[in-house]
Parts: sequence; C-alpha cells; structure tokens
Amino acid sequence: DQQVKQNSPSLSVQEGRISILNCDYTNSMFDYFLWYKKYPAEGPTFLISISSIKDKNEDGRFTVFLNKSAKHLSLHIVPSQPGDSAVYFCAASASSGGTSYGKLTFGQGTILTVHP
Amino acid sequence: GAGVSQSPRYKVAKRGQDVALRCDPISGHVSLFWYQQALGQGPEFLTYFQNEAQLDKSGLPSDRFFAERPEGSVSTLKIQRTQQEDSAVYLCASSKTTGPGYTFGSGTRLTVV
Repeated sequence: DQQVKQNSPSLSVQEGRISILNCDYTNSMFDYFLWYKKYPAEGPTFLISISSIKDKNEDGRFTVFLNKSAKHLSLHIVPSQPGDSAVYFCAASASSGGTSYGKLTFGQGTILTVHP
Repeated sequence: GAGVSQSPRYKVAKRGQDVALRCDPISGHVSLFWYQQALGQGPEFLTYFQNEAQLDKSGLPSDRFFAERPEGSVSTLKIQRTQQEDSAVYLCASSKTTGPGYTFGSGTRLTVV
C-alpha cells in the first residue's frame, strides 16, 4: 500500500523555466510534508517542508503547495537551473499515532533533468 | 564529524553471508534512523533509536535484520544469512531532536550475489 505516490518517474525542463513536481498521499494522519533532493551516490538532502496548517511555503526559488482536501502537494522550482537536476523525493510524517518522533514515508521519486 | 558517516560505502556479500553496516551519527544527535532504499524506489523506514533505546523496529523486514546502538552514538545494522532481496542502499540519518528534520548519510550499497 503506497501511502505517498509520485506518479511521474521523470521530468525534463529547459533552463530558466518552471519545474513542477507532484505528490499525492492517502493517509489523512500525515500532517508534515518534506521534499528531499538526491544526487547519485549521496544521501537525500532536505530541501523544503510544509506543515498541514499552511497551504504554501516559499524558500528562494523553491515553493511547496499543499492541498489538504485533495491530499496533494507540489514543488515548484523557478527558475530551474541545470544544477537542480537530481532525484526529488516527497515524504510525509504524522505527529500522532505513535510516530511523532519523525518516521518518514517516502514517495518513489521523480528524476528531474534541467537542460541548458 | 560534520555529517553522518556510513561504512562501508559498498559491500558485496555472498548469499547466506552475515553483514554489518556501521553508522556514525552527528555528535550529540539523539535520534537515529535506518532506511532501506531498493533500486528505483524511495527510502523505506526500518528502525528508530532515541539515544540507546530502540523505540520502533516495525520496518525490519525479517528476524534476519537486527540493529543496535549500545552507547547512544554509533549504530550497527546487522543482516544475517543475506538473501538477494536484501540488495539495496541502506541509509542512516540522525537528528538533534525528535521530529522529521534529519540529516542523511551517503548510505551503504549492499549487493548480495
């Protein structure tokens, strides 16, 4: 049972344009969402997060949008740069139900390629 | 150290062999996690330590998997009688507090042949 899904295995974008990565979840207990970026042979690095009490969080070129009713979140990167090329993982956690220590459920990842 | 350190970076094991994977978390970090990442998938939770206490081991796939953190710092993930399906990258992460914002190591890639 995949509780966090990233339905697009890959995305290709031109440098300078917007990249939009999508994520859907099924568990209504999830109340904190994160995006991680991963380069080959490295561990995931934290990018940006959002709490369920918000619908938008912005950090420089990165913005995460949360639609709780649709159980959907997205990551916008504007403008996209070649150095953004990596695998992006969506992850979710629940602050109640015994996993408040921070257990994360990850999606399968989306490979982003930004062409110069 | 500055980050989470994992060793070895790569491990090839013959089927049936026992392996031990080491994680050195960031000094002073209370929380420590192990995740397993199969090829083409996202990381999957294995187990969680708060200091030396293993508070959640619900993600360990079988009783062949065992993790410990005896002094609340270095952790070891042991896999007995390795099988081909154990081939994956094993990621360790640590955090100063409880909660989801933690730092991952680069992982150990285990290949069982």
